[in-house]
Amino acid sequence: AQTVTQSQPEMSVQEAETVTLSCTYDTSESDYYLFWYKQPPSRQMILVIRQEAYKQQNATENRFSVNFQKAAKSFSLKISDSQLGDAAMYFCAYRSYRDNYGQNFVFGPGTRLSVLP
Amino acid sequence: DAGVTQSPTHLIKTRGQQVTLRCSPKSGHDTVSWYQQALGQGPQFIFQYYEEEERQRGNFPDRFSGHQFPNYSSELNVNALLLGDSALYLCASSLRGSQLFGSGTRLTVV
Repeated sequence: AQTVTQSQPEMSVQEAETVTLSCTYDTSESDYYLFWYKQPPSRQMILVIRQEAYKQQNATENRFSVNFQKAAKSFSLKISDSQLGDAAMYFCAYRSYRDNYGQNFVFGPGTRLSVLP
Repeated sequence: DAGVTQSPTHLIKTRGQQVTLRCSPKSGHDTVSWYQQALGQGPQFIFQYYEEEERQRGNFPDRFSGHQFPNYSSELNVNALLLGDSALYLCASSLRGSQLFGSGTRLTVV
């Protein structure tokens, strides 16, 4: 079974600065998807960024980028120019490529990010 | 478009009781999945419904059951509630893999 680990329960960053959230995972599969989700106090899970394991290029979405190291099974999220609205719980998630229905995610325990003004 | 809506937002039940949670998917979405998020943890997949049938199921006991209606809305039923069932229950709807989450129902079992 796949597992996802986030070793930083809490992180804080100064507004406009850069922060990196860590995620490692364990799998025997070679094809899979990795995700970062944000959960603000509204509780809704919001997709931040997605990475396909077969792509060597790291995904980027505006101020959000990932460092995907397949051999090390590491998938960190970098948030640049942090904004107050970035404060939330961040979850790293894994989904098997064989999951044809695309819903059976394995989530990590989350990292609570605080943004200081 | 209201996106994914869940009701109620909060619920308190007594141990041993039964509870039904409801989810209305985003317009056009035909698949509904349910997740349980215990306090301080990430969501865990319970099951997924498509065309009114359970298509995938996570590692949850039979006390957890569901239903999907012809209009794609869905219910999650939990029987014989345990204190450990206290959690945030998230519904997600999708169409061809593009998934959108609701804001959840906070269930407290006392």
